[in-house]
Formats: sequence, C-alpha cells, structure tokens
Amino acid sequence: DIQMTQSPSTLSASVGDRVTITCRASQSITIWVAWYQQKPGKAPKLLVYDVSSLDSGVPARFRGSGSGTEFTLTITSLQPDDFATYYCQHYDSYKWTFGQGTKVEI
Amino acid sequence: EVQLLESGGRLVQPGGSLRLSCAASGFTFNNFAMTWVRQAPGKGLEWVATVNGAGGKTFHADHVKGRFTISRDSSNNTLSLNMNSLRAEDTATYYCATVRTWGPEGPVDNWGQGALVTVSS
Repeated sequence: DIQMTQSPSTLSASVGDRVTITCRASQSITIWVAWYQQKPGKAPKLLVYDVSSLDSGVPARFRGSGSGTEFTLTITSLQPDDFATYYCQHYDSYKWTFGQGTKVEI
Repeated sequence: EVQLLESGGRLVQPGGSLRLSCAASGFTFNNFAMTWVRQAPGKGLEWVATVNGAGGKTFHADHVKGRFTISRDSSNNTLSLNMNSLRAEDTATYYCATVRTWGPEGPVDNWGQGALVTVSS
C-alpha cells in the first residue's frame, strides 16, 4: 500500500510568509494527488487536485507541484485566513491515502 | 448547489451496528462516485470507503473491510454506510462526500457537515 508522509506536522509562520508543506509517497505515483484545507469544526475544502490544478475559487497564492514521490503545497504569501490544517491525499483506482496533516499556526 | 446531509450518527456499544445515511441533492447523482471519510476527535482524515457512479463497484479501506459496507440508491439519491462489529477506534465524525469523477480516481470536491459516531459502553 502507498503511504503518504506529510511534513512538518506543525508550522509556525507570520502573515506574508512563504510556506511549503511536503508530502512524500512510499513509491512513485501518478498525478493523482490533492491538497485540502480544514478549519476547526468544519469539513475539509479542496484546494489543489491532480498535483497542480487549482480548484475553482481558490486564490492563486496556493500552488501545488511535484512528481514521482515528492509533492508540495506552497502558499506564496500567507494570509490571515490561511491559518488552518492542510492534508495531502493520493487517490487511486481502488484505494485512497491521506497524509497526517500539517497545522499552520501563527 | 450541492447539498449532502448525513444522518444516523449516535452513541453505540462496542460490537454493535449502525447505519449512516447521506441525502444528496443539487447534482446528477449517478454521474459521480461517492465516498465516506472519517476523522477521529483531534486526529487526521482517514478514508473509509468509495462507490462508483453506477454503484456496481465498491472499495473499502483495510481497517473496515468485512465490517463496513458502502452502498448507494439512485431512486432516492442516498448514500449509505452499514457498520457492524463496531470498535472504540471507530469513534469519529463521518463525512459523506462527492468525488469529482465517475470512478474513484478523483479528488473529493463536496463534503457534508459530518455525523458523529461514538462507540462506547
């Protein structure tokens, strides 16, 4: 089974910072990687799918990239609304895996 | 507007059974795969099960295989999750969600508000 190891688990940053979250897959995978944002008490929200496609309405400061076994979510200039927990996900034709999550805090 | 409304979450004893339902509206139900994702209190997201758009193929995570069964009913646009032999570690908020594709190889793009299942004596 493919495992997705996400790092860091917690990230402290300030408004305006460039932030990078990494997900490493246990084996080389295709383009089926997504990133979600979750705020306390709320359902997750899709940000990026197929590694680098921004979902509709998601600000351009969010960028997904990567290939093979390493994938990243970058927030180019952190905004107050971005403090949340972020999850990567690998979706496949028969099994899904989420990363452990990265909490972005002030 | 896509709406997903879960119901059925409650306190249940270990070894017990429970059925979660999700009423879907605002989209063509048969065109998209549907899924259940859970989140234990204070923990991360965990995939549970997915069913394709036609309902003919189901996929279950290893930790629920043989105990949980996902199904869908296009006559009333409802997604269900039958849960048997429940354990304390199944305690979580269960989210009903749509997949962007007909098959399971797509991201989750709409989520319900979640249904809390608590397994405890």
